[in-house]
Amino acid sequence: SAVISQKPSRDICQRGTSLTIQCQVDSQVTMMFWYRQQPGQSLTLIATANQGSEATYESGFVIDKFPISRPNLTFSTLTVSNMSPEDSSIYLCSGGFTDTQYFGPGTRLTVL
Amino acid sequence: AQSVTQLGSHVSVSEGALVLLRCNYSSSVPPYLFWYVQYPNQGLQLLLKYTSAATLVKGINGFEAEFKKSETSFHLTKPSAHMSDAAEYFCAVSGPLGAGNMLTFGGGTRLMVKP
Repeated sequence: SAVISQKPSRDICQRGTSLTIQCQVDSQVTMMFWYRQQPGQSLTLIATANQGSEATYESGFVIDKFPISRPNLTFSTLTVSNMSPEDSSIYLCSGGFTDTQYFGPGTRLTVL
Repeated sequence: AQSVTQLGSHVSVSEGALVLLRCNYSSSVPPYLFWYVQYPNQGLQLLLKYTSAATLVKGINGFEAEFKKSETSFHLTKPSAHMSDAAEYFCAVSGPLGAGNMLTFGGGTRLMVKP
């Protein structure tokens, strides 16, 4: 198994501001993923982050709103930009291993 | 394209009773299938996975699931529910390259366990 940590664990932000979420994996992985879980909902993939290339975004998500960095094989960041109350969600990262994805504990974001 | 349907957004059982959470999938390629559990205010924890080996898969905490290709199902069961099993359960599918590919999640089933 793998251990994945996220920072911050939760935050309350004002609309119009930005928040950067960090994700750290305890071993090297080629692919990392970012998901959004809106209140009471399932998980929706935001983007796939490969080291050394641009992130691949799913339909409905754009780089200007959710810029992602992947500087090495154990770390990634997701920024939620120009936030609105609709961005209030849990944001989870995961690491893609040979036949499994392991998830971080999530970042609980509230936008006022 | 892949999709997952979890029948029953809420399931309630008595402590000691059988747990059955239903998952049906659609996939144009041989699937990898997963069950994850999410306890309140926590991330997702892998319960078990099917990756084209044995069709009956045993996971953690006494859970197991059976891959039935003819029924396109991967239902999760546990013979005897514990209060600590109360959580949200997600079924997910990915392509044949494993979870290096994206996961597609079902809508989730909230399991409630009554004393």
